[in-house]
Amino acid sequence: ETGVTQTPRHLVMGMTNKKSLKCEQHLGHNAMYWYKQSAKKPLELMFVYNFKEQTENNSVPSRFSPECPNSSHLFLHLHTLQPEDSALYLCASSQDTGGGTDSPLHFGNGTRLTVT
Amino acid sequence: GDSVTQMEGPVTLSEEAFLTINCTYTATGYPSLFWYVQYPGEGLQLLLKATKADDKGSNKGFEATYRKETTSFHLEKGSVQVSDSAVYFCALSRGGRRALTFGSGTRLQVQP
Repeated sequence: ETGVTQTPRHLVMGMTNKKSLKCEQHLGHNAMYWYKQSAKKPLELMFVYNFKEQTENNSVPSRFSPECPNSSHLFLHLHTLQPEDSALYLCASSQDTGGGTDSPLHFGNGTRLTVT
Repeated sequence: GDSVTQMEGPVTLSEEAFLTINCTYTATGYPSLFWYVQYPGEGLQLLLKATKADDKGSNKGFEATYRKETTSFHLEKGSVQVSDSAVYFCALSRGGRRALTFGSGTRLQVQP
């Protein structure tokens, strides 16, 4: 078990569809993240949640809507996406210790999203 | 803003060759530096880290030294194996900000 589980592993959706990505962590962490991984581009931070509260939104378009009902679960709701949104979406978590050095990120295996 | 620049891949080596993957960064203050590795079909895993200048992070035969004068954190391994084939990401963290800034990743392919 990786500690951070993402579902589904693969998703194909049309531009008019509505779908959701799910992330669950079993590590007792308090911070959760969504990252977007596109080919030949830096990993892009999308959202950060700390103790269920959103602490960072990295200028993400409103067609991506995150939800964090508790510290163990994180969702990314998708609607009216564009083909350029096709990418690998990675969820991560970390312990809330107030600093990045002693609190490494633990990543899930990602959801490969294709928008047609 | 903060940024991390890595050499473009893929890097293709024969087994037992010496590996260097370059990483330079731009950030204010004194960031912590990391290398993460992504094996095929998996998420990223922390490989090693360094928190201050001249620190050397090491793990699984990989090493990287925090060089503040050249703002670099190059990854090295003396003898690569086929199992090291993966994508390697350099990243930085500034102070109490928990979100990391990543580079674009460098794909390593090791041939037997």
